[in-house]
Parts: sequence; C-alpha cells; structure tokens
Amino acid sequence: GAGVSQTPSNKVTEKGKYVELRCDPISGHTALYWYRQSLGQGPEFLIYFQGTGAADDSGLPNDRFFAVRPEGSVSTLKIQRTERGDSAVYLCASSLGRTGKSTDTQYFGPGTRLTVL
Amino acid sequence: AQKVTQAQTEISVVEKEDVTLDCVYETRDTTYYLFWYKQPPSGELVFLIRRNSFDEQNEISGRYSWNFQKSTSSFNFTITASQVVDSAVYFCALSERYQLIWGAGTKLIIKP
Repeated sequence: GAGVSQTPSNKVTEKGKYVELRCDPISGHTALYWYRQSLGQGPEFLIYFQGTGAADDSGLPNDRFFAVRPEGSVSTLKIQRTERGDSAVYLCASSLGRTGKSTDTQYFGPGTRLTVL
Repeated sequence: AQKVTQAQTEISVVEKEDVTLDCVYETRDTTYYLFWYKQPPSGELVFLIRRNSFDEQNEISGRYSWNFQKSTSSFNFTITASQVVDSAVYFCALSERYQLIWGAGTKLIIKP
C-alpha cells in the first residue's frame, strides 16, 4: 500500500513569508506526527494528532507554528513569518493509533526540505 | 529527563565486515519502547525494529541483530557481513508518551 506522502518535497521561501507543508498519512492510520530535523541531528518532535485533535503540541517552538488535521486524515503544518532558523527538513509520520500512545510504530514520509533565505 | 545517546558519530568499515552500532538510553519509565530507524542518503526514515522494555530477548532478522540489555540501558544493533547498501545514518529512539526521543545518529560508511 501507499506510504506517507509529503508535499512539496522542497520549499524555498524568503524570510517573513508564510508557508504550508502538507502530509498525507497511510490510509487507516489515526495518529499523525510532525517532526523537524536539522542537518546532522535526530528528528525533533513538534506535534501529535489523534484523529482530528492535537493531542500533544508541546514541541511547537513558538506561536508562529500551527498544524491542523480537519478531517482526521491529511494534515497541514503552517509556519507564519518564517525565519532563517526555521530551515530544516520537516518530517511527517503516521501510526495505527490503536493505543493512543507512541508505542505504535511510526512510519515516516520523505520529508519537506524548507529553506528560508 | 529521557535521553538517547549514540556515541559513535561515524563508523567506516570495509564490505563484509561485521559492525555494531551502540545505543544507550535513560528513562525513569518502567514501560517503554525502543526503536531503530535507518536513514539512507535519499533521506526517508525506514523503520527497522521496535522492542518493548519487558522483552530482553535478542532479535535476529537476516544480517541484522539487536542486543537489548536492561541492566546497562543499552540497545545495540549489529550488522553481519556488511554490504555497501547498508551505508546510511542509523538512529536509535525511545518512546515517551506520544513522541519519540532520538539519538543524534551514527553515520555508517561501508566501503567496497
């Protein structure tokens, strides 16, 4: 079956602009996660959705970052007033979400490489 | 606080050699899960294994094997008879509620 897909694969924007990153999870997966990965580091948790609701958004760095999942499937990560420090690869993952815990295996998409000039 | 340490930043071996990647973790939870992922040059994280804290049996899958030792808080990964296609960055991760806590990764280079 299809895996997690993310669009766009690359996004170049100018400082101060608004960007949206999209994630389409594996069909049937109710849990969805966003991570951010900087060069040479492991992924950093941003937010977790169980269904339509954000169950844990403790990793969002500030109020410029926001994510939605209105119908419990596709999710969009939104970044306002982008800064050069936001440049990273943004990863999306999904899991079955049977237990509502991270014990379910998370399957990752290819990521969106965001570059803020 | 939970933490995962992968002390080996980069390992380089010649094809067909065995190689072990180390992972040490810290947690106060009694129930937790550990994971290994592979990130090839293409960038996509590929799931390799998940192990819960109550199962200390070693796991073998083809050329891959994992050694989980609760007494030393380690979850090491061995590749036997390495191949060039094994070249990638390997991450160890620990579950904490709804998120994974990741190590910094070990870059593995397999030379032909």
